[in-house]
Amino acid sequence: AQKVTQAQTEISVVEKEDVTLDCVYETRDTTYYLFWYKQPPSGELVFLIRRNSFDEQNEISGRYSWNFQKSTSSFNFTITASQVVDSAVYFCALNTGGFKTIFGAGTRLFVKA
Amino acid sequence: SQTIHQWPATLVQPVGSPLSLECTVEGTSNPNLYWYRQAAGRGLQLLFYSVGIGQISSEVPQNLSASRPQDRQFILSSKKLLLSDSGFYLCAWDIAGGPGEQFFGPGTRLTVL
Repeated sequence: AQKVTQAQTEISVVEKEDVTLDCVYETRDTTYYLFWYKQPPSGELVFLIRRNSFDEQNEISGRYSWNFQKSTSSFNFTITASQVVDSAVYFCALNTGGFKTIFGAGTRLFVKA
Repeated sequence: SQTIHQWPATLVQPVGSPLSLECTVEGTSNPNLYWYRQAAGRGLQLLFYSVGIGQISSEVPQNLSASRPQDRQFILSSKKLLLSDSGFYLCAWDIAGGPGEQFFGPGTRLTVL
């Protein structure tokens, strides 16, 4: 069975702090895809990144970076120098090749000025 | 560019009343279409997906149904709403042949009283 666990329900940081959102996944498939989405207060989910299981390279995009480690089945997301606009719910998700994407419960991030 | 519309944005309905939520996509052809439900503080639950006109796959047995009368139109319906149907309903699309990133609509917040 596939599963995505985001153990952190809520995180609160002060602006300019770095913050890491954890994601642990479970699957027996060798080919799979991992995603991160951002859900701002408006409600619409916004795609951030996709990573396939054969590409363990970490990725950096501006203040965002992702650490994919197959050995620990984790795909963590770090925001460097957080800003108030980063306040949102962040979802980690897993797809093993079909039409069903499994979403974690989400982590609500509060960034205070 | 592609755009996805959902309406209505909010809806308050009495128990036992019918439901019709509509989703349309612009700027793409033959997309995969999805209906998700997000309960308060929870992740996304896939309800239905469609790979083409008239083709609907159900993930969760319940009193909801979906239809795809046109290539870029996806409708979520119910004949009689239950209290448990309350939630935030999101429509999404992705490119056929994925799994790629999904693009989400603005959502409909449904409250059943």
